[in-house]
Amino acid sequence: GIQVEQSPPDLILQEGANSTLRCNFSDSVNNLQWFHQNPWGQLINLFYIPSGTKQNGRLSATTVATERYSLLYISSSQTTDSGVYFCAPRRRGADGLTFGKGTHLIIQP
Amino acid sequence: EPEVTQTPSHQVTQMGQEVILRCVPISNHLYFYWYRQILGQKVEFLVSFYNNEISEKSEIFDDQFSVERPDGSNFTLKIRSTKLEDSAMYFCASRGHSGNTIYFGEGSWLTVV
Repeated sequence: GIQVEQSPPDLILQEGANSTLRCNFSDSVNNLQWFHQNPWGQLINLFYIPSGTKQNGRLSATTVATERYSLLYISSSQTTDSGVYFCAPRRRGADGLTFGKGTHLIIQP
Repeated sequence: EPEVTQTPSHQVTQMGQEVILRCVPISNHLYFYWYRQILGQKVEFLVSFYNNEISEKSEIFDDQFSVERPDGSNFTLKIRSTKLEDSAMYFCASRGHSGNTIYFGEGSWLTVV
């Protein structure tokens, strides 16, 4: 199956800081989603981004499918941004998403 | 915004008992999924379901698991004889025919004792 690696595994930042989370994957994909898992365990869909760049408020994401990586940018971090961020691509020909191990982000006031 | 709903939110069961987790996918969605997340670990794909049959399943989805769409709105995951290692959060998800975004429910936390 497809291998998904996320980095860094852990990140601690002060409120107001910017961050870049990276996701590398090992195979061609036709779907890639970024999720935020909040402290209550809910998986919040952030982006559907198999290629290109999208922005939503303080968050933006870029996927370069030909080079098999995706980036999630968080600007002006807030404490509510804390949680685990998962990248989940879907390999071509497959139906299910394959999740990475996530980046655990802590934003300190 | 439409959402995937799951029940129960939390269930505690004795080892060896049968458990049924229920999901109501987003209406007019046609693809349905179950994932699980053991505490502290990543989310793992279990099974996908389309047109009243399983379209893909992972190695985790063995004979003790089954899925069913008993009516036009519900999608269920049955675990026949639970084991301690089945303790996890189980997520239901759905996707529309033309859309590619997969939407997740809030999860059902299963504790096997």
